[in-house]
Amino acid sequence: DAEITQSPRHKITETGRQVTLACHQTWNHNNMFWYRQDLGHGLRLIHYSYGVQDTNKGEVSDGYSVSRSNTEDLPLTLESAASSQTSVYFCASSGTSGSGGTDTQYFGPGTRLTVL
Amino acid sequence: AQSVAQPEDQVNVAEGNPLTVKCTYSVSGNPYLFWYVQYPNRGLQFLLKYITGDNLVKGSYGFEAEFNKSQTSFHLKKPSALVSDSALYFCAVRDHNQGGKLIFGQGTELSVKP
Repeated sequence: DAEITQSPRHKITETGRQVTLACHQTWNHNNMFWYRQDLGHGLRLIHYSYGVQDTNKGEVSDGYSVSRSNTEDLPLTLESAASSQTSVYFCASSGTSGSGGTDTQYFGPGTRLTVL
Repeated sequence: AQSVAQPEDQVNVAEGNPLTVKCTYSVSGNPYLFWYVQYPNRGLQFLLKYITGDNLVKGSYGFEAEFNKSQTSFHLKKPSALVSDSALYFCAVRDHNQGGKLIFGQGTELSVKP
């Protein structure tokens, strides 16, 4: 069955370190998204991609970057981790609207990141 | 601006009673609407969606949602709540300005007591 996976599931790091969170999907979806979830803020979009070599900033992109070198993967990098980036991170993917997809996003299990 | 609102942070229901989780939206054009559920320490799971057609949409786990264009609402319902329905529920609407993106509400915590 197609799925979307994230690794690691839990990560503890120190302020100033670079951290990369992995996201891998086997749906063959063109669209991929990264969100963070914090109490009182719901889901906030960090970055998203509509296909290989395409990346876009979301509403809370400062301090984060992504790259899309293939269809299956969209790693999220925290360039210099800050305590404010302690959060739960979710990756999601969806089919392309133009090819008949209806934008249903399928979510990974999440990564809990703690920055000390 | 396109937006989604979930007016209740928390909904409390007794097991066996009907439940409603409210959602209102604001979009230009025809809305694509979604409901997701999140159980503790899990990712969001897709429940159901409205794209076009019947205003009553049936989804997973016995949930359904009613699309009301005049009231710009898409409330989630279930005739008989289970304790296992206790979770966080998110309403979302497609961002027509940027296809593929969804705009999520803040979430409603549903608590079903025995």
